[in-house]
Amino acid sequence: GQQLNQSPQSMFIQEGEDVSMNCTSSSIFNTWLWYKQDPGEGPVLLIALYKAGELTSNGRLTAQFGITRKDSFLNISASIPSDVGIYFCAGQRDDKIIFGKGTRLHILP
Amino acid sequence: NAGVTQTPKFRVLKTGQSMTLLCAQDMNHEYMYWYRQDPGMGLRLIHYSVGEGTTAKGEVPDGYNVSRLKKQNFLLGLESAAPSQTSVYFCASSYSHRDDEQYFGPGTRLTVT
Repeated sequence: GQQLNQSPQSMFIQEGEDVSMNCTSSSIFNTWLWYKQDPGEGPVLLIALYKAGELTSNGRLTAQFGITRKDSFLNISASIPSDVGIYFCAGQRDDKIIFGKGTRLHILP
Repeated sequence: NAGVTQTPKFRVLKTGQSMTLLCAQDMNHEYMYWYRQDPGMGLRLIHYSVGEGTTAKGEVPDGYNVSRLKKQNFLLGLESAAPSQTSVYFCASSYSHRDDEQYFGPGTRLTVT
C-alpha cells in the first residue's frame, strides 16, 4: 500500500533553534497536511497544503507542498518549550488519507 | 461547540470481552473515522463512514465493527477483545468529501489483558 516516510523519527534541540522535518512518498498526493499531537491528546491540524509548490505559514511554522507532489516539509522557527510533541504529516489522495509515523520533537532545557 | 468527543477515555478489558467506543461530533460533519495509534506505527485507519448509515473498511478493519446510525455518532465495537487490540483509539471527523482537515477527538486508551 501507499507509504509515507517521515523523518527524522525524533529530534533533540535547544530552545530557540529552528526545526525542519519532512515527508516523502513514492506516490503523488493531492493534499498534504501537518498535524501536531500533544501528550494525551488527539492530533491537531497545523497547516493544510493544496497545490504543488505551495508555501504556507502559520505563525512560526512554514510548510511546503513539494513540486513533484511526492513530498512536503515543515519548518519551525525559534522553537519554544510548547513546541514539544509529535508532528505527523498526512497525504490525501482518492478520498484516502495516509499518515506518516511521526517526528517526536524534544526541547532540551 | 465541543468538537469531537470520545467515551470512555480509558478502559481495561479481559481477553474475549466486548465493548463499544462512542464518538460524537457536533460540527455537522459528513465523514467520520476510527484510527488506532500504536508506538512507532503512526495512525492507522480502522473503519470510516462517508455519511449516516454508511461504513467502509480502512487499513486494519479485522476484529472491529462500526455503525453510523446517526450523523453525529460513530461507534466502534470490539466483539471479542484480544491483547493485540491494546492501543489508543482516535475518532476524527471531516466536513468535505475530500477527506482533508480532519478534526480529532482526545482518544481512548484501551488495554486488553
